[in-house]
Amino acid sequence: EAGVAQSPRYKIIEKRQSVAFWCNPISGHATLYWYQQILGQGPKLLIQFQNNGVVDDSQLPKDRFSAERLKGVDSTLKIQPAKLEDSAVYLCASSTGGGETQYFGPGTRLLVL
Amino acid sequence: GQNIDQPTEMTATEGAIVQINCTYQTSGFNGLFWYQQHAGEAPTFLSYNVLDGLEEKGRFSSFLSRSKGYSYLLLKELQMKDSASYLCAPEPPTGSYQLTFGKGTKLSVIP
Repeated sequence: EAGVAQSPRYKIIEKRQSVAFWCNPISGHATLYWYQQILGQGPKLLIQFQNNGVVDDSQLPKDRFSAERLKGVDSTLKIQPAKLEDSAVYLCASSTGGGETQYFGPGTRLLVL
Repeated sequence: GQNIDQPTEMTATEGAIVQINCTYQTSGFNGLFWYQQHAGEAPTFLSYNVLDGLEEKGRFSSFLSRSKGYSYLLLKELQMKDSASYLCAPEPPTGSYQLTFGKGTKLSVIP
């Protein structure tokens, strides 16, 4: 069974630029999560989708971050404009449903200069 | 809100046993996850405890005390490949599901 796929794996941008990350969850997984992991810390949930609906986005900085999962499968996370403090690993995870074990993708490492 | 406390770093010798503790204070609680994260890689699922007590899974065991807000991960017969960060994540009550991860404990296994 294929795991969670993410791209790109690495991205370097300058502050105030825009960037987008893509995630393809495990087939059949209804729930999709985006996390931000800053170096030396645990992952912090940004947004949770159930199919194509948002379950929780309370920790998403909505002035600059946006995410969508239009067809209930793939998802994109966008940052516009990026700040230096957005440098982190962005992890996508999926599960069969809320409360089930989450499986993580390899992450996208973002460096904002 | 949630408050999760884990030691930042630990060092142990190959072949030994190590216990990684996690204490948590949450506004609600359903169960607790442990994840392993090797440097530069994504977290991978290790264990999930709902009931009090010890659950053993090969070299790894996880313990939970709901009344004390306490869990630990026990790693036996340590191997060099066990060098990683170990993340504790309490699960909120049914209906919420969002995991809050601790900062993780970085375990270094030395020869």
